[in-house]
Amino acid sequence: AQSVTQLGSHVSVSEGALVLLRCNYSSSVPPYLFWYVQYPNQGLQLLLKYTSAATLVKGINGFEAEFKKSETSFHLTKPSAHMSDAAEYFCAVSDRGGGFKTIFGAGTRLFVKA
Amino acid sequence: DADVTQTPRNRITKTGKRIMLECSQTKGHDRMYWYRQDPGLGLRLIYYSFDVKDINKGEISDGYSVSRQAQAKFSLSLESAIPNQTALYFCATSEARGYGYTFGSGTRLTVV
Repeated sequence: AQSVTQLGSHVSVSEGALVLLRCNYSSSVPPYLFWYVQYPNQGLQLLLKYTSAATLVKGINGFEAEFKKSETSFHLTKPSAHMSDAAEYFCAVSDRGGGFKTIFGAGTRLFVKA
Repeated sequence: DADVTQTPRNRITKTGKRIMLECSQTKGHDRMYWYRQDPGLGLRLIYYSFDVKDINKGEISDGYSVSRQAQAKFSLSLESAIPNQTALYFCATSEARGYGYTFGSGTRLTVV
């Protein structure tokens, strides 16, 4: 069965510092992987996705994520945090096989300090 | 107009009342979903539909029902609301497997 774990329910960084949000997944076959961002009082917005092409995926707002099969990880990074990056981030995994289910992680709230 | 529109945005209702949350999309996608968000639990799937005649239960469908009135419309009903159904509800649509979802802005439901 698929699962996804986001390490750290809260992450705090200073403006200009590296952002690293961790996601590990469990799946019997290489899955599709996604990162979404949720700003206050809004729905989730797709940041980026991994579908089996390049293992380093670039998304919107300067974020990127690297698929590492050996570590079953898909961590989200951004070299330099902006105040506007403060939001909640969700990792999600979707099966490539017969089932369709997309499983979401519990979310990581990112705080950016001035 | 937003790609996925949910109404109402906020709703307070009493225990035992029937309530319907509505969702419409302009993406032209066949696949539509209803999720529930609770703090610390992420999003959990309530129901999903791959076309007008294909409706399926998700992981937490008890106490909920849905109707797919057209390709663009997918409504969620709580037949007899209870306080533990207080949550943020999201509708989403997708083109196909692996494409990711487009979400609505959500409906914040409070059952008192």
